[in-house]
Amino acid sequence: GNSVTQMEGPVTLSEEAFLTINCTYTATGYPSLFWYVQYPGEGLQLLLKATKADDKGSNKGFEATYRKETTSFHLEKGSVQVSDSAVYFCALNHGNNRLAFGKGNQVVVIP
Amino acid sequence: GAGVSQSPSNKVTEKGKDVELRCDPISGHTALYWYRQRLGQGLEFLIYFQGNSAPDKSGLPSDRFSAERTGESVSTLTIQRTQQEDSAVYLCASSRDNTGELFFGEGSRLTVL
Repeated sequence: GNSVTQMEGPVTLSEEAFLTINCTYTATGYPSLFWYVQYPGEGLQLLLKATKADDKGSNKGFEATYRKETTSFHLEKGSVQVSDSAVYFCALNHGNNRLAFGKGNQVVVIP
Repeated sequence: GAGVSQSPSNKVTEKGKDVELRCDPISGHTALYWYRQRLGQGLEFLIYFQGNSAPDKSGLPSDRFSAERTGESVSTLTIQRTQQEDSAVYLCASSRDNTGELFFGEGSRLTVL
């Protein structure tokens, strides 16, 4: 079935460091791919998305490229801030907005 | 407020009791979703409403779980005869289209003792 796998464990890094969170997927067809973010005390919200192969989603300095050949959608940001501390979820759309989510990665940015 | 509202935010109950969780979606959003997040796990799809009907109930884990939606607005998720494995954060989301952009509430944390 369709599924998403995120790298294990929390990510701790210093302010202005480069962030990468890996996401790979298994799917039939070509689903849309998403990154959702959950800031402390808030609900999940859409960060960025890509709907077809080679599309790049971007928002708030974050980017992710839909790579069909490697079935990946890694999230990157060149220079993180303390305010980027949150939990990040990769997801794919089965259809009818039924999203399959990864387990999430806690990101902690230290000043 | 303008966002998805869920209540209660926290619920502690004893094994065997019934619980009801409520979701108020964003006004005008025709689609409503329930997900569950158990500790250390990803989000698990439970059920999806389009209007007041539920075309996809495939994620409900057992017949102890049911959900309804009325007036194309409020939805209630009911868990009967709760078990300890039902302990989780129950998330509700709504959307206005089919683009995959869901708007989530903050969740209802259920603890079954």
